[in-house]
Amino acid sequence: SAVISQKPSRDICQRGTSLTIQCQVDSQVTMMFWYRQQPGQSLTLIATANQGSEATYESGFVIDKFPISRPNLTFSTLTVSNMSPEDSSIYLCSVEGQTSGNTIYFGEGSWLTVV
Amino acid sequence: AQTVTQSQPEMSVQEAETVTLSCTYDTSENNYYLFWYKQPPSRQMILVIRQEAYKQQNATENRFSVNFQKAAKSFSLKISDSQLGDTAMYFCAFAYSGNTPLVFGKGTRLSVIA
Repeated sequence: SAVISQKPSRDICQRGTSLTIQCQVDSQVTMMFWYRQQPGQSLTLIATANQGSEATYESGFVIDKFPISRPNLTFSTLTVSNMSPEDSSIYLCSVEGQTSGNTIYFGEGSWLTVV
Repeated sequence: AQTVTQSQPEMSVQEAETVTLSCTYDTSENNYYLFWYKQPPSRQMILVIRQEAYKQQNATENRFSVNFQKAAKSFSLKISDSQLGDTAMYFCAFAYSGNTPLVFGKGTRLSVIA
């Protein structure tokens, strides 16, 4: 398995501000994935973060709005910039388990509400 | 591109009974992985069970088992002896490997009734 810690777990944010979500993994991983889950919806991939290179964004997500850092093999951050109420979502990071290959685990999620 | 379809938005089951959640997927590849995740009200995504496409044997984890029909591209989840704690959203998901992103179905909301 993988132990994945996300911070913050929950936050209420003011419109127009930015918030950075941290994802810390207990082992070195190649890829980290960031997902968004809007209220009542399924998970949608925002981007893939590979250490040492720029993140790869999915259609509909742009770096200016969701900048991602991946400074080392155990850590990544996702920033939600210039937030609007439409950004109210759960944001989750995920990685492959190192002891159980090809098994994908998630952090606890960061539940953001924009007011 | 691969897609995952869960055709049951909501289901309910009596405590101690058995329930089956359906999932179909579409891919042109031969090797891949299928997952069921549980998301309780806490919102954490919890891995329930995993199936490798190259394995014919259906995966089981305690009260949870799958019926994997590769030719039909079907991957249903059976929950036996349902418990109140099984109440959650269940998502079916597909990936080519652990280093590729997951594609999710829309989810099935399961309610276990006492």
